[in-house]
Amino acid sequence: GNSVTQMEGPVTLSEEAFLTINCTYTATGYPSLFWYVQYPGEGLQLLLKATKADDKGSNKGFEATYRKETTSFHLEKGSVQVSDSAVYFCALAIPFNSGGSNYKLTFGKGTLLTVNP
Amino acid sequence: DAGITQSPRHKVTETGTPVTLRCHQTENHRYMYWYRQDPGHGLRLIHYSYGVKDTDKGEVSDGYSVSRSKTEDFLLTLESATSSQTSVYFCAIGIGVLKFNEQFFGPGTRLTVL
Repeated sequence: GNSVTQMEGPVTLSEEAFLTINCTYTATGYPSLFWYVQYPGEGLQLLLKATKADDKGSNKGFEATYRKETTSFHLEKGSVQVSDSAVYFCALAIPFNSGGSNYKLTFGKGTLLTVNP
Repeated sequence: DAGITQSPRHKVTETGTPVTLRCHQTENHRYMYWYRQDPGHGLRLIHYSYGVKDTDKGEVSDGYSVSRSKTEDFLLTLESATSSQTSVYFCAIGIGVLKFNEQFFGPGTRLTVL
């Protein structure tokens, strides 16, 4: 079946440190890959995405590259801020209708990031 | 802003009572989803809808039913709530062109079943 495994947290960093959150996946076919972020008390927000191998998604200083050969989509940021403290979810999307228009999202368990000043 | 609201935002109820959660969207999107979020599990799909009166089960559908009588509203019902259904429930809509593989989430409903 399809699954996402992401680095277990919590992760605690100092401001301006480099961030990596590992994510690997198992999927049939060719999934699209996503990172979502959840700030305290809020819903999930799409952070970035990649739809095919070697695509790089980027947003707000975060980046992730779709690596088909290692089935990975690791999230990185060069210099984290206190405002980046949140839970980060890696997810994959595959179609679950024959027309390929309706997609099922499979999520990892989430990684809590805390950034201290 | 994808125009998704959920109501109520918080609810406390007792075991055995029926509960209905509402998801409302303002932009006429075809695909809508209900998830539950639990510590250590991430988000898991309960049910989804691909149009008015068109719904299907997700991976954790036992104990839940859904209805979609209008494009803008997707209702999740717990016929007889149990303590194991204490969770945070998120509604989402599918967005895209031809391939609706991006999902945007509502703010969530925190449900406590005593």
